[in-house]
Amino acid sequence: QQQVKQSPQSLIVQKGGISIINCAYENTAFDYFPWYQQFPGKGPALLIAIRPDVSEKKEGRFTISFNKSAKQFSLHIMDSQPGDSATYFCAASTNSNYQLIWGAGTKLIIKP
Amino acid sequence: DVKVTQSSRYLVKRTGEKVFLECVQDMDHENMFWYRQDPGLGLRLIYFSYDVKMKEKGDIPEGYSVSREKKERFSLILESASTNQTSMYLCASSLPSGSSNEQFFGPGTRLTVL
Repeated sequence: QQQVKQSPQSLIVQKGGISIINCAYENTAFDYFPWYQQFPGKGPALLIAIRPDVSEKKEGRFTISFNKSAKQFSLHIMDSQPGDSATYFCAASTNSNYQLIWGAGTKLIIKP
Repeated sequence: DVKVTQSSRYLVKRTGEKVFLECVQDMDHENMFWYRQDPGLGLRLIYFSYDVKMKEKGDIPEGYSVSREKKERFSLILESASTNQTSMYLCASSLPSGSSNEQFFGPGTRLTVL
């Protein structure tokens, strides 16, 4: 029940296209859903996060869509650029617990 | 800017050696974490600490120990390194729960055990 399942494991998108990465969870107590971005040779860094009181959060070209009833959330990258090529991790936690439960990661490649 | 530094970017050790990985954060964060990252497995929590001298096991603590003698420093110890501990090790820090769950990561240490 603590798992976060992330798909796909890898993704290739043409420059300018939309990249979509999906995550599903089981624990209904989760109330914080961040996405982290990791470039080669670097640690992950927070990209965008959402709490379940909203169904969507947008920051620039990055959008989280959240479906509470389906227990799913997804990251959409609009107008994908080669500089977006990285590994993306979804995660989940409860407000009372500082531990994050991590998805397995998606390696995204944007082809020029 | 929050800064989390790790003592080595790359480390090569022999089987059976005792290995120390050091992590220092400069933001006065209470929580510190050690993860290992392997392809297809994501980030797996080894140990975390929510205060000086306090530690709790994560999902994969076997073969590892930790030390937190000062708030800013969290060390991961491999008592007797084995080849299956070859991995990328990531340290992170965060504020206490209830404030922000954002974790700030160091650049990682790629450990190879021969």
